Amino acid sequence: GQNIDQPTEMTATEGAIVQINCTYQTSGFNGLFWYQQHAGEAPTFLSYNVLDGLEEKGRFSSFLSRSKGYSYLLLKELQMKDSASYLCAVKKAGGSYIPTFGRGTSLIVHP
Amino acid sequence: DGGITQSPKYLFRKEGQNVTLSCEQNLNHDAMYWYRQDPGQGLRLIYYSQIVNDFQKGDIAEGYSVSREKKESFPLTVTSAQKNPTAFYLCASREGANQETQYFGPGTRLLVL
Repeated sequence: GQNIDQPTEMTATEGAIVQINCTYQTSGFNGLFWYQQHAGEAPTFLSYNVLDGLEEKGRFSSFLSRSKGYSYLLLKELQMKDSASYLCAVKKAGGSYIPTFGRGTSLIVHP
Repeated sequence: DGGITQSPKYLFRKEGQNVTLSCEQNLNHDAMYWYRQDPGQGLRLIYYSQIVNDFQKGDIAEGYSVSREKKESFPLTVTSAQKNPTAFYLCASREGANQETQYFGPGTRLLVL
């Protein structure tokens, strides 16, 4: 099976930087997704990391360490619209292409 | 505009009733998925289909059924055997062949009367 852990809730201030961590235990790891989901809406794709290291996309960056079973999503220059749930999902190697999702981290950005 | 549509946005079910949730995509994606989302829980896979006329059970298939008669459509039926159907249901699709990313529809919220 797979264990995926991420904090339930985080709060941060507008304009600040926040790091959302995700740890996982799985056999045959292939890659790790981050999705953003606003309340009552569809998850939207943010990133997919396969190799170790940091990938930057504008205000959002995602980091992966395969040896440590660890990833984080870094959000810079926080805006109120960044208040959402952030879902970490792990994909195993093999042909099923089905990721396993963590419970999500609810981020609240306040003024 | 290409995308995934789900209907209805809200659906009410009476005790003992079967209801069907619609999922349509015009992205020409091969694979389609149904997930259930409950408060405080991650997305849980109900059924998935990698190709037309074929589908597989996910982790929580009991009380649900699907069909995949057309590439663009993957309806989910919540049967009376599903005793706790109140949840947010999300449909997703994936292009296929080595494309990893799933794209999600807007969801259907199912409530029991």
